[in-house]
Amino acid sequence: DVKVTQSSRYLVKRTGEKVFLECVQDMDHENMFWYRQDPGLGLRLIYFSYDVKMKEKGDIPEGYSVSREKKERFSLILESASTNQTSMYLCASSPPEGTGTDTQYFGPGTRLTVL
Amino acid sequence: AQRVTQPEKLLSVFKGAPVELKCNYSYSGSPELFWYVQYSRQRLQLLLRHISRESIKGFTADLNKGETSFHLKKPFAQEEDSAMYYCALRPLYNQGGKLIFGQGTELSVKP
Repeated sequence: DVKVTQSSRYLVKRTGEKVFLECVQDMDHENMFWYRQDPGLGLRLIYFSYDVKMKEKGDIPEGYSVSREKKERFSLILESASTNQTSMYLCASSPPEGTGTDTQYFGPGTRLTVL
Repeated sequence: AQRVTQPEKLLSVFKGAPVELKCNYSYSGSPELFWYVQYSRQRLQLLLRHISRESIKGFTADLNKGETSFHLKKPFAQEEDSAMYYCALRPLYNQGGKLIFGQGTELSVKP
Protein backbone atom coordinates (compact mmCIF):
# COMPACT_ATOMS: atom_id res chain seq x y z
CA ASP A 1 0.00 0.00 0.00
CA VAL A 2 1.42 3.34 -1.04
CA LYS A 3 2.20 5.65 1.82
CA VAL A 4 2.73 9.36 1.40
CA THR A 5 3.44 11.19 4.61
CA GLN A 6 3.70 14.88 5.35
CA SER A 7 5.70 16.20 8.28
CA SER A 8 2.93 18.21 9.93
CA ARG A 9 -0.87 18.18 9.87
CA TYR A 10 -1.12 21.72 11.21
CA LEU A 11 1.41 24.52 11.15
CA VAL A 12 1.19 28.12 12.32
CA LYS A 13 3.86 30.56 11.20
CA ARG A 14 4.39 34.29 11.23
CA THR A 15 4.68 36.56 8.22
CA GLY A 16 8.21 36.62 6.91
CA GLU A 17 9.26 33.28 8.37
CA LYS A 18 10.91 30.65 6.22
CA VAL A 19 8.72 27.56 6.17
CA PHE A 20 9.60 24.01 5.23
CA LEU A 21 6.97 21.43 4.36
CA GLU A 22 8.28 17.90 4.03
CA CYS A 23 6.84 15.00 2.10
CA VAL A 24 8.06 11.42 2.03
CA GLN A 25 6.82 8.50 -0.07
CA ASP A 26 7.77 4.87 0.37
CA MET A 27 6.96 3.42 -3.05
CA ASP A 28 10.02 4.45 -5.01
CA HIS A 29 7.92 6.75 -7.19
CA GLU A 30 9.69 8.92 -9.74
CA ASN A 31 7.13 11.72 -9.74
CA MET A 32 6.24 13.96 -6.82
CA PHE A 33 3.97 16.97 -6.61
CA TRP A 34 3.00 19.85 -4.36
CA TYR A 35 -0.48 21.38 -4.57
CA ARG A 36 -2.39 23.90 -2.59
CA GLN A 37 -6.05 23.29 -2.01
CA ASP A 38 -8.38 26.24 -1.56
CA PRO A 39 -12.20 26.27 -1.47
CA GLY A 40 -13.64 27.19 -4.83
CA LEU A 41 -10.26 26.98 -6.53
CA GLY A 42 -9.66 23.24 -6.33
CA LEU A 43 -6.12 21.90 -6.41
CA ARG A 44 -3.50 24.08 -7.99
CA LEU A 45 -0.09 22.70 -8.83
CA ILE A 46 2.81 24.58 -7.27
CA TYR A 47 5.80 22.47 -8.33
CA PHE A 48 6.50 18.95 -9.41
CA SER A 49 9.53 16.75 -9.83
CA TYR A 50 10.00 13.79 -12.15
CA ASP A 51 13.40 12.76 -10.87
CA VAL A 52 15.93 13.49 -8.16
CA LYS A 53 17.21 17.05 -8.38
CA MET A 54 14.75 17.76 -11.21
CA LYS A 55 11.93 20.23 -10.69
CA GLU A 56 9.36 21.96 -12.84
CA LYS A 57 7.15 24.92 -12.09
CA GLY A 58 3.47 24.32 -11.88
CA ASP A 59 0.72 26.87 -12.24
CA ILE A 60 1.41 28.95 -9.12
CA PRO A 61 5.14 28.74 -8.24
CA GLU A 62 5.55 32.34 -7.11
CA GLY A 63 6.68 32.59 -3.51
CA TYR A 64 7.65 28.92 -3.35
CA SER A 65 10.66 26.78 -4.05
CA VAL A 66 11.28 23.04 -3.80
CA SER A 67 14.05 20.60 -3.14
CA ARG A 68 14.42 16.97 -4.09
CA GLU A 69 17.77 15.61 -2.97
CA LYS A 70 16.53 12.05 -2.49
CA LYS A 71 13.97 10.13 -4.48
CA GLU A 72 11.63 9.58 -1.57
CA ARG A 73 11.58 13.15 -0.24
CA PHE A 74 10.18 16.32 -1.76
CA SER A 75 10.29 19.54 0.22
CA LEU A 76 8.28 22.69 -0.32
CA ILE A 77 9.86 25.92 0.90
CA LEU A 78 8.18 29.22 1.53
CA GLU A 79 11.09 31.64 1.53
CA SER A 80 9.18 34.41 3.30
CA ALA A 81 5.71 33.35 4.33
CA SER A 82 2.83 35.70 3.64
CA THR A 83 -0.78 35.65 4.80
CA ASN A 84 -2.00 34.77 1.30
CA GLN A 85 -0.11 31.51 1.58
CA THR A 86 -2.46 30.34 4.30
CA SER A 87 -3.87 27.17 2.77
CA MET A 88 -4.00 23.39 2.78
CA TYR A 89 -0.92 21.92 1.12
CA LEU A 90 -1.10 18.49 -0.44
CA CYS A 91 1.80 16.35 -1.53
CA ALA A 92 1.40 13.52 -4.02
CA SER A 93 3.53 10.94 -5.76
CA SER A 94 3.10 8.69 -8.77
CA PRO A 95 5.02 6.08 -10.73
CA PRO A 96 5.89 6.72 -14.39
CA GLU A 97 3.03 6.79 -16.89
CA GLY A 98 2.04 3.55 -18.51
CA THR A 99 2.68 1.36 -15.50
CA GLY A 100 -1.01 0.60 -15.03
CA THR A 101 -1.08 2.03 -11.54
CA ASP A 102 0.10 5.46 -12.57
CA THR A 103 -2.34 7.46 -10.56
CA GLN A 104 -1.31 10.05 -8.02
CA TYR A 105 -1.27 9.07 -4.35
CA PHE A 106 -1.84 11.86 -1.89
CA GLY A 107 -0.60 12.67 1.56
CA PRO A 108 -2.93 13.75 4.37
CA GLY A 109 -2.20 17.43 3.86
CA THR A 110 -0.66 20.20 5.94
CA ARG A 111 -2.90 23.06 6.97
CA LEU A 112 -0.65 26.10 7.11
CA THR A 113 -1.77 29.31 8.78
CA VAL A 114 0.37 32.40 8.33
CA LEU A 115 -0.35 35.14 10.86
CA ALA B 1 -5.64 26.23 -22.93
CA GLN B 2 -5.97 23.07 -20.90
CA ARG B 3 -8.72 23.47 -18.37
CA VAL B 4 -11.16 21.44 -16.29
CA THR B 5 -14.43 22.99 -15.20
CA GLN B 6 -16.80 21.72 -12.56
CA PRO B 7 -19.71 24.14 -12.70
CA GLU B 8 -21.30 23.21 -9.37
CA LYS B 9 -19.61 24.10 -6.10
CA LEU B 10 -22.23 22.26 -4.09
CA LEU B 11 -24.68 19.56 -5.04
CA SER B 12 -27.26 18.50 -2.52
CA VAL B 13 -29.50 15.46 -3.05
CA PHE B 14 -31.60 13.14 -0.94
CA LYS B 15 -30.62 9.57 -0.24
CA GLY B 16 -31.76 7.28 -3.02
CA ALA B 17 -31.91 10.04 -5.63
CA PRO B 18 -29.77 9.94 -8.76
CA VAL B 19 -26.71 12.13 -8.77
CA GLU B 20 -24.64 13.60 -11.58
CA LEU B 21 -21.53 15.65 -10.98
CA LYS B 22 -20.58 17.60 -14.07
CA CYS B 23 -17.12 17.92 -15.51
CA ASN B 24 -16.16 19.64 -18.74
CA TYR B 25 -12.68 19.92 -20.11
CA SER B 26 -10.78 21.92 -22.65
CA TYR B 27 -7.97 20.06 -24.39
CA SER B 28 -6.96 19.66 -28.00
CA GLY B 29 -6.36 15.95 -28.17
CA SER B 30 -7.25 12.80 -26.29
CA PRO B 31 -6.64 13.30 -22.59
CA GLU B 32 -6.91 10.87 -19.79
CA LEU B 33 -9.65 11.75 -17.32
CA PHE B 34 -9.99 10.90 -13.66
CA TRP B 35 -12.34 11.43 -10.74
CA TYR B 36 -10.82 11.85 -7.30
CA VAL B 37 -12.76 11.90 -4.03
CA GLN B 38 -11.99 13.30 -0.58
CA TYR B 39 -14.15 12.11 2.28
CA SER B 40 -14.26 14.11 5.48
CA ARG B 41 -10.93 13.98 7.32
CA GLN B 42 -9.46 11.58 4.77
CA ARG B 43 -6.88 12.05 2.08
CA LEU B 44 -7.69 12.61 -1.55
CA GLN B 45 -7.91 9.33 -3.43
CA LEU B 46 -8.63 8.07 -6.90
CA LEU B 47 -12.24 7.09 -7.51
CA LEU B 48 -12.10 6.06 -11.14
CA ARG B 49 -10.37 6.71 -14.47
CA HIS B 50 -11.99 6.70 -17.86
CA ILE B 51 -9.74 4.12 -19.48
CA SER B 52 -10.76 1.53 -16.91
CA ARG B 53 -14.45 1.86 -17.80
CA GLU B 54 -15.32 0.44 -14.42
CA SER B 55 -17.90 1.16 -11.75
CA ILE B 56 -16.55 2.05 -8.33
CA LYS B 57 -18.91 2.31 -5.34
CA GLY B 58 -21.75 2.45 -7.86
CA PHE B 59 -20.28 5.45 -9.67
CA THR B 60 -19.64 5.51 -13.40
CA ALA B 61 -18.29 8.15 -15.74
CA ASP B 62 -18.30 8.18 -19.53
CA LEU B 63 -15.95 10.24 -21.60
CA ASN B 64 -17.91 12.19 -24.22
CA LYS B 65 -15.36 13.60 -26.63
CA GLY B 66 -17.98 15.43 -28.65
CA GLU B 67 -19.19 17.39 -25.65
CA THR B 68 -15.76 17.31 -23.95
CA SER B 69 -17.39 16.06 -20.77
CA PHE B 70 -16.72 13.40 -18.17
CA HIS B 71 -19.69 13.53 -15.85
CA LEU B 72 -19.82 11.31 -12.77
CA LYS B 73 -23.08 9.48 -12.18
CA LYS B 74 -24.70 7.26 -9.62
CA PRO B 75 -28.29 6.04 -9.87
CA PHE B 76 -29.00 5.94 -6.12
CA ALA B 77 -27.02 8.20 -3.82
CA GLN B 78 -26.05 7.05 -0.33
CA GLU B 79 -25.22 9.19 2.68
CA GLU B 80 -21.68 7.84 2.67
CA ASP B 81 -21.19 9.37 -0.78
CA SER B 82 -21.06 12.80 0.82
CA ALA B 83 -17.61 14.12 -0.01
CA MET B 84 -15.62 16.52 -2.16
CA TYR B 85 -15.21 15.34 -5.74
CA TYR B 86 -12.56 16.54 -8.16
CA CYS B 87 -12.36 15.90 -11.86
CA ALA B 88 -8.84 15.83 -13.30
CA LEU B 89 -7.25 15.71 -16.72
CA ARG B 90 -3.87 14.33 -17.63
CA PRO B 91 -2.53 15.52 -20.97
CA LEU B 92 -0.80 12.91 -23.06
CA TYR B 93 2.97 12.89 -23.24
CA ASN B 94 3.56 15.24 -20.37
CA GLN B 95 6.70 14.57 -18.42
CA GLY B 96 6.00 13.88 -14.80
CA GLY B 97 2.38 12.91 -15.33
CA LYS B 98 0.96 16.10 -13.93
CA LEU B 99 -2.77 16.50 -13.54
CA ILE B 100 -5.03 19.48 -14.10
CA PHE B 101 -7.80 19.59 -11.53
CA GLY B 102 -11.21 21.20 -11.58
CA GLN B 103 -12.50 23.41 -8.81
CA GLY B 104 -14.25 20.57 -7.05
CA THR B 105 -17.89 19.81 -6.24
CA GLU B 106 -19.07 19.13 -2.74
CA LEU B 107 -21.72 16.44 -2.73
CA SER B 108 -24.09 16.38 0.21
CA VAL B 109 -26.48 13.44 0.48
CA LYS B 110 -29.26 14.08 2.95
CA PRO B 111 -31.15 11.31 4.75
